[in-house]
Amino acid sequence: NAGVTQTPKFRILKIGQSMTLQCAQDMNHNYMYWYRQDPGMGLKLIYYSVGAGITDKGEVPNGYNVSRSTTEDFPLRLELAAPSQTSVYFCASSDPGTVYEQYFGPGTRLTVT
Amino acid sequence: KNEVEQSPQNLTAQEGEFITINCSYSVGISALHWLQQHPGGGIVSLFMLSSGKKKHGRLIATINIQEKHSSLHITASHPRDSAVYICAIGEGGSEKLVFGKGTKLTVNP
Repeated sequence: NAGVTQTPKFRILKIGQSMTLQCAQDMNHNYMYWYRQDPGMGLKLIYYSVGAGITDKGEVPNGYNVSRSTTEDFPLRLELAAPSQTSVYFCASSDPGTVYEQYFGPGTRLTVT
Repeated sequence: KNEVEQSPQNLTAQEGEFITINCSYSVGISALHWLQQHPGGGIVSLFMLSSGKKKHGRLIATINIQEKHSSLHITASHPRDSAVYICAIGEGGSEKLVFGKGTKLTVNP
């Protein structure tokens, strides 16, 4: 199993550009999450999904959108990128049968200039 | 809203020392997670516990539900233990976690 994969690993965007961060998992987990990690801060939840077709906002959803058309994939869309979105983004998945133990992807380091 | 506090923020130790990292939270939880983030950035789950104590190799995690406190201990620390250790809590029945800011551990040879 590859676990949770994320692409790209690094990206530099100009202010106002848009992009999609890809996330996929091959563990058949129902639950998937997007977090951002800023220096010196804890992980903050952006959006999460409890199954295909179901998504909900987390703590910091502004400026982002998600979709979940399949169990495997959970892309995160940034529209009109701003410098405040410079961060490291982590995707994770979990299975409620394991009391929500989360498996993390390797992260995407995004810089908006 | 549950708050997760970790201490210390930074910790430097000599190889072989016994390490303790603390985590406290403010309201009831369903489970507490300890995670390790390597210098390269990857995050892995170390422990998930809702009561008592768990041990894996040189790592031991304990939780006191009444005191809303957990500790992560590392025995015979080694430079490869250098990482950020993150405490996270799952609130009752919730699939979402609340994360602490992490403790950066540096173990010198």
